[in-house]
Formats: sequence, structure tokens, C-alpha cells
Amino acid sequence: DIQMTQSPSSLSASVGDRVTITCRTSQSISIYLNWYQQKPGKAPKLLIYAASNLESGVPSRFSGSGSETEFSLTISSLQPEDFATYSCQQSYSTPFTFGPGTKVDIK
Amino acid sequence: QVHLQESGPGLVKPSETLSLTCTVSSDSVSSGSYYWSWIRQPPGKGLEWIGYIYYSGSTNYNPSLKSRVTILADTSRKQLTLKLSSVTAADTAVYYCARGGRDGYNLFDFWGQGTLVTVSS
Repeated sequence: DIQMTQSPSSLSASVGDRVTITCRTSQSISIYLNWYQQKPGKAPKLLIYAASNLESGVPSRFSGSGSETEFSLTISSLQPEDFATYSCQQSYSTPFTFGPGTKVDIK
Repeated sequence: QVHLQESGPGLVKPSETLSLTCTVSSDSVSSGSYYWSWIRQPPGKGLEWIGYIYYSGSTNYNPSLKSRVTILADTSRKQLTLKLSSVTAADTAVYYCARGGRDGYNLFDFWGQGTLVTVSS
């Protein structure tokens, strides 16, 4: 299985801050990496697919980059509704695996 | 828009079989362009992919669960079924169904709201 790690595991930030979350994989996955946002008690929501493609309807303040084994999700200006947990998922091979999540909360 | 709704018992006894149903609101359940996955999340932990099924009946399971998992699809009723046998407390989780495979990408773009299953005697 492809192992996923994320850093940091949590962060505190203020509205308007630029936030970057990193996801690393145990082997090269090209660009096959997706990002999800999850709020408490809710299902995950797809934000970014294939490393850098913004899902329809997702605000442009979200962006993704990276390839091979290192990826990042950036929120250019954090908004109140962005406080949530963010998880990456490798879509390169089965079994699909997810990162442990990064919790973004209010400073 | 695609709407998915999970249903089933919220409490299952150890060693028994967990059985959940996912009802899909879209005709895309019969499309060969998508597959339908089950994904779970233990309380306070990360997401774990359980497996998927195409409308044709073709399946792919997580090897860590493969000996205990069966996923079925009834396209006429637009329903998916997850069966997980010989459950233990480690199977306590929120179980989600989700649509995958859009445009050939292994992404999950529509999810149900999830259903909590607790394994306890």
C-alpha cells in the first residue's frame, strides 16, 4: 500500500492568512493526488484533483501543486468557512489511501 | 446533482455481519463511467477505502478487508450494498458511500452523509 503523511497535523491561523499543507507519499504517484475538506459531522468534499485541478464550484483561493511524492494545498486567504480538516488521497493505485488529515482551526 | 443516502443498523454485535445500503438518486449508477465506493472513518481517525463496484458487477476490495467484504449493486433499484462479516470493535466507524471514477480519475466527487455503525455487545 502507498503510505500517506501530512504536515502539519494541525495548525492555528487567522482569517486572511495564507496556509499551506503538505502531503507526502511513500512512492511516486505522478500527479494522482486529490485533496478533500471535511467539517465536523459532515462528509468529505472534493477540492482539488490530479494535484492541481480545482473542482467545479470550489473557490479560487484554494490551489494545489506537486508531483511524484510531494504535494501541497494552499489557501491564499483563509476565510471563516475554511476552518476544517483537510485530507489528501492518492489515486494512483488501489488500495486508495488517505492522509491522516490536517486540522485548521482559528488562532 | 447526485444524491447518496446510506442506511442500516447503527449497532452490530461482535462476530456478526454488518450490512448497509446506499441509495443513489442518479441514473449514473448504471453508467460504466463511474464506480461506487464504500469508505469508512473510525471516530477521530482518517478515512479508509473499503472497495468499489462498477454497475457491471466488477469489484475491487482493499486487501486488508477483502476476506470479509462483499459489495453488491442493484442498478434497477439504484442501490449499493456493503456486507462486512465477523465484525469487531475495530470496525466501529462512520461508513460513507461515494461516487468515483469521473473522467477516468480516481476521485470521489459525491458522498453520502455517512452512517455511524457501532460494534458492541
